[in-house]
Amino acid sequence: GQNIDQPTEMTATEGAIVQINCTYQTSGFNGLFWYQQHAGEAPTFLSYNVLDGLEEKGRFSSFLSRSKGYSYLLLKELQMKDSASYLCAVFNYQLIWGAGTKLIIKP
Amino acid sequence: ETGVTQTPRHLVMGMTNKKSLKCEQHLGHNAMYWYKQSAKKPLELMFVYNFKEQTENNSVPSRFSPECPNSSHLFLHLHTLQPEDSALYLCASSPVAGTSESYEQYFGPGTRLTVT
Repeated sequence: GQNIDQPTEMTATEGAIVQINCTYQTSGFNGLFWYQQHAGEAPTFLSYNVLDGLEEKGRFSSFLSRSKGYSYLLLKELQMKDSASYLCAVFNYQLIWGAGTKLIIKP
Repeated sequence: ETGVTQTPRHLVMGMTNKKSLKCEQHLGHNAMYWYKQSAKKPLELMFVYNFKEQTENNSVPSRFSPECPNSSHLFLHLHTLQPEDSALYLCASSPVAGTSESYEQYFGPGTRLTVT
């Protein structure tokens, strides 16, 4: 079967760092994606990992370990506008989605 | 208009009504998708169209009927829906489906559907 797990909700403080984990078990793997979705809005692309290691893009970084079926999204210098849901998805001919992690940022 | 647009943004319909959702993409893509998003559940892929041809139907009930007249437009026709069909319906597009070019999908803002 296909399974992607991520925490339902996380809370962090403005200015801090937060790590959102994603574990997956899929029949195939051709890349892992992170999307951001603000309440009532469309999901938007954040990052893509196909090889093991860390990809950095400004305040956001994404890590992948294919042998462990594990990824994380690291958000630094948190801002209030980072309050959103973060969706992990594995590409295996189609995108297979996790249920998303709702991130709440407190002042 | 740019990106992916969807109309209407909100829809309330009775179980005996017939309505249609519309999606339009201005990105020159050849693949379009319908997703259902329910609270605290993963995005559910419903239909995939690649170059106007339907390539995926993930066991979606026949009360949902897609139509893709060209690569830029996608419709979802609804009839005799059930209350459990209430959800956010998202349209997305990508250059081509099922290949490395479909990695990044561009989503519309969605239609919030309530079935009463």
